[in-house]
Order: sequence, then structure tokens, then C-alpha cells
Amino acid sequence: EPEVTQTPSHQVTQMGQEVILRCVPISNHLYFYWYRQILGQKVEFLVSFYNNEISEKSEIFDDQFSVERPDGSNFTLKIRSTKLEDSAMYFCASSSDGLYEQYFGPGTRLTVT
Amino acid sequence: AQTVTQSQPEMSVQEAETVTLSCTYDTSENNYYLFWYKQPPSRQMILVIRQEAYKQQNATENRFSVNFQKAAKSFSLKISDSQLGDTAMYFCAFVTNSGNTPLVFGKGTRLSVIA
Repeated sequence: EPEVTQTPSHQVTQMGQEVILRCVPISNHLYFYWYRQILGQKVEFLVSFYNNEISEKSEIFDDQFSVERPDGSNFTLKIRSTKLEDSAMYFCASSSDGLYEQYFGPGTRLTVT
Repeated sequence: AQTVTQSQPEMSVQEAETVTLSCTYDTSENNYYLFWYKQPPSRQMILVIRQEAYKQQNATENRFSVNFQKAAKSFSLKISDSQLGDTAMYFCAFVTNSGNTPLVFGKGTRLSVIA
């Protein structure tokens, strides 16, 4: 069964450093999403992406964040200058039609020290 | 604003018993989809069950079933014959049928199944 994959599974970085979180969505899916979950809290939407551009973004997704689909398979989330409060689990999701179901990857645990 | 409320932060159930997790939501849209996701200690998000708002029949998936009350905007999850492997966080979520909209999640219910 096709699945969404994410790398790395755990990333530790120092405050102020740039990080890139990588995702490989399901191959025939066209809609992509990033969500984050601070430990013990609910899952929050960051950004959605379709047709090589951002469709929607939340207020969390400020100028420190960017997304990119550099090739036909990867979907990346970049945080330019990490802050302590960026420590969270980051989930990538993809969907075939943007409606019915979003398939989640296993997540990347980001720890900012 | 679109919101999801899960009023039970924690619940526990004896193995083989039945438990119901509550969820209410608020949206002005008429067409949407509702979901329950399970998040075990590995923290992966696993879809448990989905319900289309236009369907009156409650969805079932093996031991999992929902009680969908559209007028009351209620979407509870019933787990029958609870198993130790059901121990996890359970998140209620919905997405509107507006195309490429994000999932809106509740804060979750931590379920512990006790042997």
C-alpha cells in the first residue's frame, strides 16, 4: 500500500539554525500539507500546497517558514532560523483530490536546543 | 470559525469492554467529512474511521463505529471489545468540502485500555 514517508525521523538543531524537513507524498497525489503538533497539544495546520504554489497557510506559517517541491517527488518544509518554540512533531500529508482523505506520514520530531 | 471540541481529555476502559469518545464540531458549511484519527505512542497519525456528512448512515469499521448527529454537530466514536492495542490518543477532525482545505483537529482524548 502506498504511503507518505518523511525524513529524518528525528532532528536536533540549535536555535537560529536552518532546518529542512523532507517528505515524499504518495506518487499520484496532487495536494500536500504540513501540520505540526507541539508535545501534548493538538495537531495544527501550517500550509497546503497545490500546483506548485501555496494554497492556504495559517498564522503560524510566518516568514521563517517556506515550502518547496524541488522535484517530482519531494515536498520540503524549511525553517530558516529555528526558535525553541518550533520544537514539535511535524507531519506531512498528501491527498489525491484535496477533499476526501489526507494520508499522513510518520512525522519528524524536531528538537530545538 | 471552524472548531472541534473533545470534552474528555482522558478516558480508560477495561479490556473487552466498550467505550465512547465524544466529539462536537462547529461549521457553517453543509458538506464536509469527519474523521477519527488514532495516535499511538509512536505518534503516527492513523485514520480509524471517516464519515461523509451527507450520509445519514453511521460509518462502521470492524470494532469501531460512529454516532453521527448532524443537527447536533456531534460525532462520537464507539470502540467495542477494547483491546490493549487501542491505547492511544484519539483525535476527532473534519474537513469541509470546499476543496483543498486543511483538517481541523480537536485536542484529543487519551484512551487507556486496562487489562
